[in-house]
Amino acid sequence: DQQVKQNSPSLSVQEGRISILNCDYTNSMFDYFLWYKKYPAEGPTFLISISSIKDKNEDGRFTVFLNKSAKHLSLHIVPSQPGDSAVYFCAASETSGTYKYIFGTGTRLKVLA
Amino acid sequence: GAVVSQHPSRVICKSGTSVKIECRSLDFQATTMFWYRQFPKQSLMLMATSNEGSKATYEQGVEKDKFLINHASLTLSTLTVTSAHPEDSSFYICSATWAPGGHEQFFGPGTRLTVL
Repeated sequence: DQQVKQNSPSLSVQEGRISILNCDYTNSMFDYFLWYKKYPAEGPTFLISISSIKDKNEDGRFTVFLNKSAKHLSLHIVPSQPGDSAVYFCAASETSGTYKYIFGTGTRLKVLA
Repeated sequence: GAVVSQHPSRVICKSGTSVKIECRSLDFQATTMFWYRQFPKQSLMLMATSNEGSKATYEQGVEKDKFLINHASLTLSTLTVTSAHPEDSSFYICSATWAPGGHEQFFGPGTRLTVL
């Protein structure tokens, strides 16, 4: 049972345009969400997070939007750069629990120069 | 700050042998460490949660006797893959968190295990 899903396994975007990566979850107990960037044979690198008390969090070129009623979050990257090409994972967690993360299936982003 | 290291980065072993992977938090004390595995082009699957000085909590479907986890200090956790088989070949990643400091997990660079 996949509690966190990223339905787009891959995405190609032109440099300078917006990249939108989507993530859906099923467990209503999740109240903290994160996005990580990962290169092959490396550990994930933290990008941005959002608590369920917010619906938007922004950090430079990265913005995460949370729609609790739809159990959906998205990561916007503007403007996209070739160095953003990587696999992006969303993760969900319960802050009242053990802090463990449930990761999504990942989306491979390719930013074309 | 918040650097997590793993050793070794890559290991090749024969079927039937045991392999130990170390995870260290270099500049903070990790109250909790997590172990994940990732198969090619798949998600990171949580294997177990490890708290210093106590037994690890394993996720459903993960064999405790096969994947031995020891969290002997606030900066070191080890994962031992016992009697390794080719199907154990995978990318193993650890993470660490300092709960009072926030919710974020800091990830190590991963260990590529290949069992021949």
